[in-house]
Amino acid sequence: NAGVMQNPRHLVRRRGQEARLRCSPMKGHSHVYWYRQLPEEGLKFMVYLQKENIIDESGMPKERFSAEFPKEGPSILRIQQVVRGDSAAYFCASSPGTGLTEAFFGQGTRLTVV
Amino acid sequence: EDQVTQSPEALRLQEGESSSLNCSYTVSGLRGLFWYRQDPGKGPEFLFTLYSAGEEKEKERLKATLTKKESFLHITAPKPEDSATYLCAVQAGTNAGKSTFGDGTTLTVKP
Repeated sequence: NAGVMQNPRHLVRRRGQEARLRCSPMKGHSHVYWYRQLPEEGLKFMVYLQKENIIDESGMPKERFSAEFPKEGPSILRIQQVVRGDSAAYFCASSPGTGLTEAFFGQGTRLTVV
Repeated sequence: EDQVTQSPEALRLQEGESSSLNCSYTVSGLRGLFWYRQDPGKGPEFLFTLYSAGEEKEKERLKATLTKKESFLHITAPKPEDSATYLCAVQAGTNAGKSTFGDGTTLTVKP
């Protein structure tokens, strides 16, 4: 029973390039959450998605960031025109349904912008 | 806005020296509180969910408790392998699925 799979584990991008982070939830989970962890800081909520729907994007920066969870395939967090301040660890979590349920996290993608 | 504050930021213990980590929260309508463990370079690993004041959960050397304003993670006779960052998170109100995390307590247990 594979856990939450994120790839790539490490990603280096030059300023101005695009970054695409992928997340495959645990089997049977239909809810996906993205969090960002800046160096020496805690996890900050970015977006909550279900299949083909964005439920809550209150933590997403207004520009350059977007997320999707298509009917088929992994969830994608896309960052356009990356800047040095985007360097962080991006974690994806999944849960089986609505209501209060614990979320299970992937190992994260560490984005470095040079 | 939901707020979670963890203390201390860092805690160094000798092996076998029991202690507690604190998580204070300010939320509107707590639905649940979570504890996670995070090792360097890895994702958070789920430990406990607490739903209501007075509830307690235990797992090996860890015991989590909840009051109306805070939660404690008690570590009894810790071992070096318990060294990690412990994260507290809350879900509240109608924010289904969205968790607010504290900044964590980094625990180091010396042999």
